[in-house]
Amino acid sequence: EAGVTQSPTHLIKTRGQQATLRCSPISGHTSVYWYQQALGLGLQFLLWYDEGEERNRGNFPPRFSGRQFPNYSSELNVNALELEDSALYLCASSFSLRNTGELFFGEGSRLTVL
Amino acid sequence: DQQVKQNSPSLSVQEGRISILNCDYTNSMFDYFLWYKKYPAEGPTFLISISSIKDKNEDGRFTVFLNKSAKHLSLHIVPSQPGDSAVYFCAASLGPEYGNKLVFGAGTILRVKS
Repeated sequence: EAGVTQSPTHLIKTRGQQATLRCSPISGHTSVYWYQQALGLGLQFLLWYDEGEERNRGNFPPRFSGRQFPNYSSELNVNALELEDSALYLCASSFSLRNTGELFFGEGSRLTVL
Repeated sequence: DQQVKQNSPSLSVQEGRISILNCDYTNSMFDYFLWYKKYPAEGPTFLISISSIKDKNEDGRFTVFLNKSAKHLSLHIVPSQPGDSAVYFCAASLGPEYGNKLVFGAGTILRVKS
């Protein structure tokens, strides 16, 4: 069974541009989570999508946005890129009603902003 | 506000000995606690979890202990192996009504020397 897949693996942009990252969850999972891991820091919660709707977001500015499609895949968009947006962006999926909190992560998309 | 803290950025242990990784939290509403392991260029992988109603959970070489009164949990790895060398993240979940959103610590780098 395929795990969580993310694309692209690496992305290089310049300040002010927009970046789009994509994620396909494990088959059967309806919840998708996005996390940011900046260099030397832990994973910071960005967004949670479930059944096509945004359910929760972390302490990030509105230029971080996304969506979840009917097939439960998801996109993360970062507008007006800033240098500090350079980070590893991790997508994770889960069954939405499980109560153990276990998330399954993809390998991440490395965004570099020059 | 760092709700989950891993105060040791790194830990070095001899092969065969015990590794003890520590984690403190501030929010008494956390429902589940989890440990994730992360190798370079890979996404985090789930290792072991514990419910807030338990004080110990064991899985092979890995045991997690929870002390709710101290708001402290620890991961014991016995015996430690070189392949255990990775970054270990402690995470806490508020439960399914919050979408199993995980709050992560900053991670501890474990090096197991052979």
